[in-house]
This record gives sequence, C-alpha cells and structure tokens, in this order.
Amino acid sequence: DTEVTQTPKHLVMGMTNKKSLKCEQHMGHRAMYWYKQKAKKPPELMFVYSYEKLSINESVPSRFSPECPNSSLLNLHLHALQPEDSALYLCASSQGLAARETQYFGPGTRLLVL
Amino acid sequence: AQSVSQHNHHVILSEAASLELGCNYSYGGTVNLFWYVQYPGQHLQLLLKYFSGDPLVKGIKGFEAEFIKSKFSFNLRKPSVQWSDTAEYFCAVKSGPENGGSQGNLIFGKGTKLSVKP
Repeated sequence: DTEVTQTPKHLVMGMTNKKSLKCEQHMGHRAMYWYKQKAKKPPELMFVYSYEKLSINESVPSRFSPECPNSSLLNLHLHALQPEDSALYLCASSQGLAARETQYFGPGTRLLVL
Repeated sequence: AQSVSQHNHHVILSEAASLELGCNYSYGGTVNLFWYVQYPGQHLQLLLKYFSGDPLVKGIKGFEAEFIKSKFSFNLRKPSVQWSDTAEYFCAVKSGPENGGSQGNLIFGKGTKLSVKP
C-alpha cells in the first residue's frame, strides 16, 4: 500500500480562522513532508519531519505550524492566513531522508483563504 | 541557485505520436532524478527515477528516460502516447549536501502539460 491520505479535500477559511490539515500514512515511513503548490506552479517544500522531529523549515511564515504527533500522522495548523496562502497543500512521505528515497504524495488539500 | 528547467509548457499530440519532454538541471555533482505525473484530479505519482548505473531507465506505463550527464539532461520519452497519458508531468531533482541541497529537498521543474487528442 503506497497511499498517503489527506483531509479535508477542500477547505475555505477566513483570515481570522484557525484550521488544521491532516495527513496520514501507514507505510512505515519515517520522513514526512508538507509542500505548497500554487496554480500552474510546481510544488514547493515547506517542512520536513524525520523520526517525528522537524528537520527542515524552508523559511515558512509562523502562521503555518506543523506538528507530527506520531510516525504515521502529520498536521499543519493554520492561523491568520492571508488570501495569497490559497493553494493546494500536499503531504508526502518517504522511508527516510536519503537522496535516493522516493517520496509518495497524497491528493492534497485545496485551501481557499477569503 | 539550484534549478530544474522543463522547456515545454504545453505539448499537444495525437494518439500514437511519439513523446519527448525535456528536463535540464543545474547541478554539477551527484544528483538523483525523478519524473512524476499528475493526472487530472489525481495526486502526484512516480513514473521513474534514476540514481546511478544504466542511464536509460524504464518506468511505468511504457515511459522511459535517459540521463545524459554531459548535457545535464533527463528527458522523458514514450514511443506511442495514448489519450490516457493526458496529464501534467514534473521533472524533479534531489541533490546531496555537496551541491548545497538540503536533505530530502525535492526540487521540481515547472511542469509540462501534455494533451493527447483521441
């Protein structure tokens, strides 16, 4: 099973709301990722977790707060977002961080900030 | 800065035509190369990958890619496309720390949209 699941599929939120995106994998992978994909653009890395510890934060604003409660789950907490944060948010996982590891992607959460 | 270039923004082909999508990267050292596909409404799926060895790699659904180190290229090919190949194709690179790459940092090209006419 090479499935990464994400909920919700769609999310509309106001700039004062607090919401969370969820990601889950049951492949035993120890690395998990959040990417942001704007329309007609490639995915851009936001965060990397390795063994439930934050490994990389690609200078993401603090209104995005990742959390890795356990090795199968990855959350992205959203607070006080801006309209320009509207995008497709992708979760991915891999066995580890080695350069040869394949990343498996979820279907994404399409976020609209009003 | 590290970058991946995909030269074609949108390619339109008829069924049974041959396909070649270009991908060039800017690193000089060891690289790991991937092609992902995103079918309409679906998630990114791995088509194929290259780490070392035979520079001609075969992937799923009849796709293949050739790594040419001297040209910094990793072009995707398929001899005969089908309507079901209509999708967005992304080339991606992961480099090691010696190239300034962060661990796990997969850098994508801008993607090529392929439309196959039945």
